[in-house]
Amino acid sequence: AQSVSQHNHHVILSEAASLELGCNYSYGGTVNLFWYVQYPGQHLQLLLKYFSGDPLVKGIKGFEAEFIKSKFSFNLRKPSVQWSDTAEYFCAVNANNFNKFYFGSGTKLNVKP
Amino acid sequence: NAGVTQTPKFQVLKTGQSMTLQCAQDMNHEYMSWYRQDPGMGLRLIHYSVGAGITDQGEVPNGYNVSRSTTEDFPLRLLSAAPSQTSVYFCASSYRRGEAFFGQGTRLTVV
Repeated sequence: AQSVSQHNHHVILSEAASLELGCNYSYGGTVNLFWYVQYPGQHLQLLLKYFSGDPLVKGIKGFEAEFIKSKFSFNLRKPSVQWSDTAEYFCAVNANNFNKFYFGSGTKLNVKP
Repeated sequence: NAGVTQTPKFQVLKTGQSMTLQCAQDMNHEYMSWYRQDPGMGLRLIHYSVGAGITDQGEVPNGYNVSRSTTEDFPLRLLSAAPSQTSVYFCASSYRRGEAFFGQGTRLTVV
């Protein structure tokens, strides 16, 4: 079965610190990869997505992610976090028939002002 | 453009009661799905649909039914509510190979 692993469950950073959140998935075929953000009390919103092409993907709000096929990874990065980035971040994969999304367990990011 | 609309936003049920969570999308997406979100467990797929008249089970389907009579609507029915079904429920829709768009969620408490 497919799985998506997010290794950091809770990350605490100060403003201006750099961020990297890990995501690994287990599927050997063609995959689409996503990062979603959930602000407190809200629904999930798309940060960025990878379908094909350049493995370095840029998203909204200064986020980027790098797809490394050999490592089955899709890590999320941001050079300098802001207090407003406090949220929960979810990595997601869809593959095979592309009709199902598999989500990681999420990483809660707390940015201290 | 409303996107994905879920109702109600909040609901409290007594054990054994039944109810239907509504989900509608206006983007003409083929795929729709229901997830439940529990602390530390991410989103788990309950049921999904790849088109009108076609539904299938996800990871945690027990206690839930779905139907898809139109492209736009995908209601989730709780047959006999249990405290273990206390959760936040999200409906999502997507094109094939596209990103998922989520509704605002329904926070359900079963007492």
